[in-house]
Amino acid sequence: AQKITQTQPGMFVQEKEAVTLDCTYDTSDPSYGLFWYKQPSSGEMIFLIYQGSYDQQNATEGRYSLNFQKARKSANLVISASQLGDSAMYFCAMRPTGNQFYFGTGTSLTVIP
Amino acid sequence: NAGVTQTPKFQVLKTGQSMTLQCAQDMNHEYMSWYRQDPGMGLRLIHYSVGAGITDQGEVPNGYNVSRSTTEDFPLRLLSAAPSQTSVYFCASSYLGLAGGFTDTQYFGPGTRLTVL
Repeated sequence: AQKITQTQPGMFVQEKEAVTLDCTYDTSDPSYGLFWYKQPSSGEMIFLIYQGSYDQQNATEGRYSLNFQKARKSANLVISASQLGDSAMYFCAMRPTGNQFYFGTGTSLTVIP
Repeated sequence: NAGVTQTPKFQVLKTGQSMTLQCAQDMNHEYMSWYRQDPGMGLRLIHYSVGAGITDQGEVPNGYNVSRSTTEDFPLRLLSAAPSQTSVYFCASSYLGLAGGFTDTQYFGPGTRLTVL
């Protein structure tokens, strides 16, 4: 069975601090991609970062990095130097071979000034 | 590039009415999908397609119909609207990549907010 779990419904972080959003996944497929998306209050879904199951190094995109621990089946998103504009819902997703994406239930992040 | 477009942005229906949500993409993506988003439940897959003429069911297909006659368009039909179908609907598209692909992200449309009374 394919499953994505995000156990933090809501998180708070002080502006300029770093924050980690948790994501664990379950799949028996050896090939898969892991994705994070941001959904601000305006509603659009914005792609942030991708990690492939065969990638040896953790992915980074600007202030976003993905802490990929394959043996633990976790793919946590780290946001460094939080900004007020980072306040949003964040979704973790997995795409095994077979085309479908599987989404977690999301984490609501609030950045406090 | 327009990316993924959806119409309408907002819609109010009465129970029993039918309607079609439109989705189009101009990126020549093989894969297209429809999700519904409800509070606390993330995104749930309704239907998806891996190319023109090929569609398949996702997690919550009941009450919805799709077809894919062209690469660009993937409309979602509500056959007989029910209050339980009140939700935000997202269309998304991506490349398939090699051998089914797992490396390509989806690109999302802006969403349609549907209310069924």
